[in-house]
Amino acid sequence: AQSVTQLGSHVSVSEGALVLLRCNYSSSVPPYLFWYVQYPNQGLQLLLKYTSAATLVKGINGFEAEFKKSETSFHLTKPSAHMSDAAEYFCAVSVPGNTPLVFGKGTRLSVIA
Amino acid sequence: DAMVIQNPRYQVTQFGKPVTLSCSQTLNHNVMYWYQQKSSQAPKLLFHYYDKDFNNEADTPDNFQSRRPNTSFCFLDIRSPGLGDAAMYLCATSRDLGGQETQYFGPGTRLLVL
Repeated sequence: AQSVTQLGSHVSVSEGALVLLRCNYSSSVPPYLFWYVQYPNQGLQLLLKYTSAATLVKGINGFEAEFKKSETSFHLTKPSAHMSDAAEYFCAVSVPGNTPLVFGKGTRLSVIA
Repeated sequence: DAMVIQNPRYQVTQFGKPVTLSCSQTLNHNVMYWYQQKSSQAPKLLFHYYDKDFNNEADTPDNFQSRRPNTSFCFLDIRSPGLGDAAMYLCATSRDLGGQETQYFGPGTRLLVL
């Protein structure tokens, strides 16, 4: 079965600094990978997804992620953090077929002024 | 705007008193999902409907039931809520089944059990 591991339950960055949120996946077949963001007391919003096209995926709000098969990674980055980026971020994996989306445990991003 | 709507946003119930949470969508998607999310945890899939076909996750307690009377609406019924059922309940939709499909989430209903 597929799974994701998010390294770091809490990441803190200064405003304007690089954001790097780590996600490693495990899958026996080529996966589909997603990053979702959740603001306090809100549902999840899709930031970006990888579906076997370009390995560098650009998403909303200036975020991007790169699929690296050799490292089984799909890390999320943003060059310059804004205060509004403070939220919980979830990496998720699925595979072809009628399979459920499997979420990581999430990483809480704090942005310090 | 097309969206997923959940009502109410906050629900308080008493221990053992049945409660129903509702979800509606204007996306005309075939699939609707219910997730349970406890504090600082990942969403946990309870079940999903593909059109009228109901699919229960193996570890979803019998205390949880769902109804989908039409394409637009889906309900989560908790027959006898326990303290451990206090959580955020998220409804989501997708156009179709398939691993590459994006799921669109509603804002969630936070359930408090007294």
